This record gives sequence, structure tokens and C-alpha cells, in this order.
Amino acid sequence: DTAVSQTPKYLVTQMGNDKSIKCEQNLGHDTMYWYKQDSKKFLKIMFSYNNKELIINETVPNRFSPKSPDKAHLNLHINSLELGDSAVYFCASSQLPGRNQPQHFGDGTRLSIL
Amino acid sequence: SQQGEEDPQALSIQEGENATMNCSYKTSINNLQWYRQNSGRGLVHLILIRSNEREKHSGRLRVTLDTSKKSSSLLITASRAADTASYFCATDTQGGSEKLVFGKGTKLTVNP
Repeated sequence: DTAVSQTPKYLVTQMGNDKSIKCEQNLGHDTMYWYKQDSKKFLKIMFSYNNKELIINETVPNRFSPKSPDKAHLNLHINSLELGDSAVYFCASSQLPGRNQPQHFGDGTRLSIL
Repeated sequence: SQQGEEDPQALSIQEGENATMNCSYKTSINNLQWYRQNSGRGLVHLILIRSNEREKHSGRLRVTLDTSKKSSSLLITASRAADTASYFCATDTQGGSEKLVFGKGTKLTVNP
């Protein structure tokens, strides 16, 4: 049973398109996250939601819009994709918000912009 | 801005040897976490150490924390080929937001 699952695993699309990535966790956690990992493996937080409420919003272009329909799901919609958006996007969850919480990660969505 | 920096960037050892990875950070922390990432997979949480702890063990893993030097080390004893992965430290910021800041990782290769 996959704890944090993301779809799709791979996403290849053209510049200017709009795409969505979906994430679901079956751990019963309250908090979910989106991270971006670049080609140098640098992992940076983008957003965090706690029980459907946005609690962390890093300096991310407003072309990126997260949506949490319920606390088990956190989706990421990206408008007008650019070459620099090529990266691996990871969804994660933790039982509660907070810096002392271990985070559980999905296996990532590899986004390639042509 | 980046908080944790792992060292070395890459490490190659033989099976059975010990592997030591270091993490240095810039500002005071409440907690430090270590994660493992196998190729093509997500990160897996290994261990969390609080700022008032100096050492923690989990199986073959030993983590130390020296807040005076703002550094942590992860020791993997009796390494196995299956330990081949990238290892990341993640820190918070005392008095800062709830987010974790990850370093760029140490790529460990354990040769059979």
C-alpha cells in the first residue's frame, strides 16, 4: 500500500501549456507539502497545507496554484509552463505541522518542458 | 536560503566499511533530520535529533549533533550495497517558520 502517491510519475509537455499533478496520502496525516527538486538535487519547499488550509507559501510564481480538496489530497496546478519549471516535484505529508515532524514523501513527478 | 550543507558531496566505499557524512548549518535550530533518497524515489525519513540531544542511534545509524559547531554527522556502520543512495540533512530555524530546509545531499556508493 503506497502511503503517499503522486500522479503522473512522468510529465512531458510543451512550453506554455497548463498541467496538474495530483497527490494523495492514506496515512491519516493533517499536513501536506509540495517540494521542487532541481537537477542538482536541491530540494526546496513550495507550499504546505494543514487540514486544507495554506500555512506555508514560499516565493513561488503565481503560475503555481495548489489546491487541497480535503486533508488527504493536495494537487498542484501549473499555468503557462516555462523551461525552468523542469524538475522533479515531490509531495509529502506529516502527521501534524511543525519542524519536529518526520515527513513522508511520494516518489515524485518528473516534469520535462520541451 | 540554504541552511544545511552536506559534506562530502560524494562518497564511495566498500561493503562492510563505515560511512560518515557531515552536515553544517548556519543559524540556530530546534531539530535536525536526516533523510535517504534512493535513485528515482522519494525521500525516506531516517532519524530526527533535537537541539538538546547530542547523539541518537537507530539500527546501524548513529547521528551526532554539535550545536556549538552547528554541525551534525550521520554514521552508517557495516555498510551494504543497499545503502547506496543520497543522504540529506534538513533543518528548521529557531524562531523561524515551520518549514524544513534541505541541503544538497551526499551521494553514497557502496561497492559490493
